[in-house]
Amino acid sequence: AQSVTQLGSHVSVSEGALVLLRCNYSSSVPPYLFWYVQYPNQGLQLLLKYTSAATLVKGINGFEAEFKKSETSFHLTKPSAHMSDAAEYFCAVSASNDYKLSFGAGTTVTVRA
Amino acid sequence: GAVVSQHPSRVICKSGTSVKIECRSLDFQATTMFWYRQFPKQSLMLMATSNEGSKATYEQGVEKDKFLINHASLTLSTLTVASAHPEDSSFYICSAGAKGQWGTDTQYFGPGTRLTVL
Repeated sequence: AQSVTQLGSHVSVSEGALVLLRCNYSSSVPPYLFWYVQYPNQGLQLLLKYTSAATLVKGINGFEAEFKKSETSFHLTKPSAHMSDAAEYFCAVSASNDYKLSFGAGTTVTVRA
Repeated sequence: GAVVSQHPSRVICKSGTSVKIECRSLDFQATTMFWYRQFPKQSLMLMATSNEGSKATYEQGVEKDKFLINHASLTLSTLTVASAHPEDSSFYICSAGAKGQWGTDTQYFGPGTRLTVL
């Protein structure tokens, strides 16, 4: 079985500051890990995915995440926050090559001008 | 590429009526589609997995007679909420499985359908 825990339900950052969203996973098999973003009243957009190739994964909109097996973590970062980054972010895990996703509870990001 | 649409985007209905939500993969074929339910300020809860040409697999606690899923083709899955009641009001999101840009299986999500039952 797979599961993820997102630490911090809400993160507030200043525009231009580092964005760090934490995600820890639990998986009985090698995992696939994902970060999705959701804007109000919209579906989820894939930011990036870990596929067991490179441990540092670069995604869209300047986001990246690093897979650390020893820490069972897959934290999401962006060096400089923009106002448009304000949204809900979800970490998710699936078993290798299994479509079924388990989502974390989500982290709301607000960006202060 | 990998665009998923949902229709309608918003629906308001009276208690007791049935509501059908369509999920389409516009530019790829999806052998597997998923239906999720999301309550305000909460995460997505998987309701069922829909495979083309076969019966859907429902998650524990989801009433299959209440939430009817049909996956008639590789590009279309439908969710019908039968005899909807106010407690069924929620945001329903579908996703479709496809080979992503990273060459592995990825879910692509639709924009969601807001159901309000009066």
